[in-house]
Parts: sequence; C-alpha cells; structure tokens
Amino acid sequence: DTAVSQTPKYLVTQMGNDKSIKCEQNLGHDTMYWYKQDSKKFLKIMFSYNNKELIINETVPNRFSPKSPDKAHLNLHINSLELGDSAVYFCASSQDTDYGYTFGSGTRLTVV
Amino acid sequence: GESVGLHLPTLSVQEGDNSIINCAYSNSASDYFIWYKQESGKGPQFIIDIRSNMDKRQGQRVTVLLNKTVKHLSLQIAATQPGDSAVYFCAEKMQGAQKLVFGQGTRLTINP
Repeated sequence: DTAVSQTPKYLVTQMGNDKSIKCEQNLGHDTMYWYKQDSKKFLKIMFSYNNKELIINETVPNRFSPKSPDKAHLNLHINSLELGDSAVYFCASSQDTDYGYTFGSGTRLTVV
Repeated sequence: GESVGLHLPTLSVQEGDNSIINCAYSNSASDYFIWYKQESGKGPQFIIDIRSNMDKRQGQRVTVLLNKTVKHLSLQIAATQPGDSAVYFCAEKMQGAQKLVFGQGTRLTINP
C-alpha cells in the first residue's frame, strides 16, 4: 500500500529516557514533516525536510532531533523525555510544499 | 447545522442534514487552504483544497467556500452520514511559505 507509515503506534516510557519514532513514505514525495498534536487536538509543525535538508525548525527544544537518511525517511529522536512531551506525533509528506500533505496514523507518546 | 471555528468547537447534526463547518483564517497573505478530516485514532485525511484564485470548489458531497474579504473558509457536507463523525481542521499556507498552519478543529457528531 502507498502510504506514510510510522512506528511505533504507541510508546510509553519514563521521564529521562531517550526514544525514537520512525517514519517512511513510499509516495515518492520530496518533503516530509513532523507535527505534534496536543490533548486539545491542536496540530503544530515541528520540523520539515526537503530532499534530506532541514527547511523548517520551529521553536522546538534541542532534545528533539530529526534525522533524514534519505528523502523517503524522516525519524525523530527525543532525548531526556519530559512529561510535557506526551502527545501524538504525526509524520506527513508532500510533493513540494505547495500541495496537501499525506499524514501517517500517528505515534501516541506517553511519558510517565 | 453550522459551527464557527474557535468559538464552537463541537457541531451536532442530524443524520441526513447538511453540515457547515466554518473557519476564520489568520493571514491575508495565505493563498492555499485545505480541509482535513481526523477520525479517532487516525491521522488527518485530506478532504478538499482550494487556492486563493477561486471562491468555491466542489468534491463528492463536500464543497469548500472561500471568502478572502473576511478571511473565512467553510466546508459544507451534504447529507451527513455517521461516517462523517470526526474532527475537521482547516489549514492555510501563506504565499511563499513552506508549512501548513492548522486551525483548532471542530468536532462533528451525527445524531441518528
């Protein structure tokens, strides 16, 4: 199936741990994104990569580090997890930045 | 039934009625707008888009209207069905910008 797939779907971890979320798209898109959705359903962009190059880095703590090994993958690594990092994280992709995004199904991160 | 963006985040309609979901966007320089549907436990799904050189666009059972004068966007869903239950987001992109900015979202519930 053509899609944006992210793993894991659920992630429960303790404060202070380091974790990664992986994202892959097989749509041939050249731009990928990470969005964070809080408990009130508000969606806010965190990062965007175009052909493996970082083009958007919103005011996200340095503990969050995206990595794009190729244009089909954009992973998110989070160091020293905090309670406030609990949210649903969505990966998305688009063909250039002037078209609609295709979203993955989300990773629900719970920090305890 | 109708909703007004941030001021009425929940809209309830009778099955078979038409639904109108409204969105007041923030930036007069925005030139691309998208409506997304997010069902429980899933990622946002593209419904319909419209560019600023148009004021109306129709899809299957959905119509998007754009009023640039008052910076207002609406999504009309004809003959609402139980499967339309979801949170609906409007998103805007400024001309030349590289990211979509999402509105708060409106939860649509269908009464049998």
